[in-house]
Amino acid sequence: GAVVSQHPSWVICKSGTSVKIECRSLDFQATTMFWYRQFPKQSLMLMATSNEGSKATYEQGVEKDKFLINHASLTLSTLTVTSAHPEDSSFYICSAGKTGGRANYGYTFGSGTRLTVV
Amino acid sequence: SQQGEEDPQALSIQEGENATMNCSYKTSINNLQWYRQNSGRGLVHLILIRSNEREKHSGRLRVTLDTSKKSSSLLITASRAADTASYFCAGGRGNNRLAFGKGNQVVVIP
Repeated sequence: GAVVSQHPSWVICKSGTSVKIECRSLDFQATTMFWYRQFPKQSLMLMATSNEGSKATYEQGVEKDKFLINHASLTLSTLTVTSAHPEDSSFYICSAGKTGGRANYGYTFGSGTRLTVV
Repeated sequence: SQQGEEDPQALSIQEGENATMNCSYKTSINNLQWYRQNSGRGLVHLILIRSNEREKHSGRLRVTLDTSKKSSSLLITASRAADTASYFCAGGRGNNRLAFGKGNQVVVIP
């Protein structure tokens, strides 16, 4: 089956520093990956679509310079939270679909990263 | 904006009972997907129903889709303690994106 590995599972950082979160598809290639943000007891909000070899597509209201996305290979996308502040504290989750898209088959999600900015 | 919107529920049932949760959406979708999330974890895909389908089964799961009412339901039969989780519906849209609803917290009491 399709496996997506997300790392780290949790991170605590100081305000003003940057944090990088990795999302890897382990046994399949993913031209497209998605990054979500989830607040406690709330739903997932799509932040951006990560496209291999091209710029990410951000959802309305998401700061591109704040949340840097890089999708340099078919198996790895990274999300960097730059100059993190306490309000960036959240649960970040990535998902991936096989090459060609899996909109009709369901997506595989990473296990999420709990970011706490102090 | 969120596409799927479940009736916000915190459902508590006894093991062996059936659990039903609903989801409504506002705009057109290609498909409707249901996911499960255990506390502090990622999401697990449960079942997908296409916009031209009305009902689908997978093991103890039964999902219905009513495109005229823009609603879907998920039924878990013969619930188990391990079914305790949050359940989200998500509408599949263009560009392979998903829009998630608010989620239903289900607690199955052993």
